[in-house]
Amino acid sequence: GDSVTQTEGLVTVTEGLPVMLNCTYQTAYSDVAFFWYVQYLNEAPKLLLRSSTDNKRTEHQGFHATLHKSSSSFHLQKSSVQLSDSALYYCALRVNSGGSNAKLTFGKGTKLSVKS
Amino acid sequence: EAAVTQSPRNKVAVTGGKVTLSCNQTNNHNNMYWYRQDTGHGLRLIHYSYGAGSTEKGDIPDGYKASRPSQENFSLILELATPSQTSVYFCASGAPLRGYAEQFFGPGTRLTVL
Repeated sequence: GDSVTQTEGLVTVTEGLPVMLNCTYQTAYSDVAFFWYVQYLNEAPKLLLRSSTDNKRTEHQGFHATLHKSSSSFHLQKSSVQLSDSALYYCALRVNSGGSNAKLTFGKGTKLSVKS
Repeated sequence: EAAVTQSPRNKVAVTGGKVTLSCNQTNNHNNMYWYRQDTGHGLRLIHYSYGAGSTEKGDIPDGYKASRPSQENFSLILELATPSQTSVYFCASGAPLRGYAEQFFGPGTRLTVL
């Protein structure tokens, strides 16, 4: 089946420094879309950014990610983190396999902790 | 702005008891979902629905039932609650579009089974 792997459970970064959260995936399908969701403490997950185009950079709220089908990756990056970026980040895969199925497969999440 | 609400927000239940978690959405989305969130496991799909009257098993359906009586409402039912079902449950809605369609999440229900 489809799977998403986020290797880091916790990433701690000093404010102002760059960060990369890893996301790799496995799927037999080629028609796919990827999402990063962010969940702040005691809130619901919400969409941060999304992409379905190979090798195209997607940006939102200072974060960016590029889908690389050749390496099965969709890493999330930011050049200068802020204290307010501290949250739980989920990578998710959607396979467009026809019909009205719109299931997302989530990774286990990476907690980003930004320290001053 | 998409709107998904859940009730109750917090629930304490006894082992063996019946628990019903409710979800309402005003987005007019066809698809609705129930997830549970546990540290170390992330978000895992329990049941989902394509529209009123339909329910489908997700990745971890054992011990749970779902009901979709209308476009707006989607319930998760624990007939015989167990302590292993202590978790935070999220409902979400989404449009059945290809590609970029996102899911909108409710605020979550914290369930404790004693």
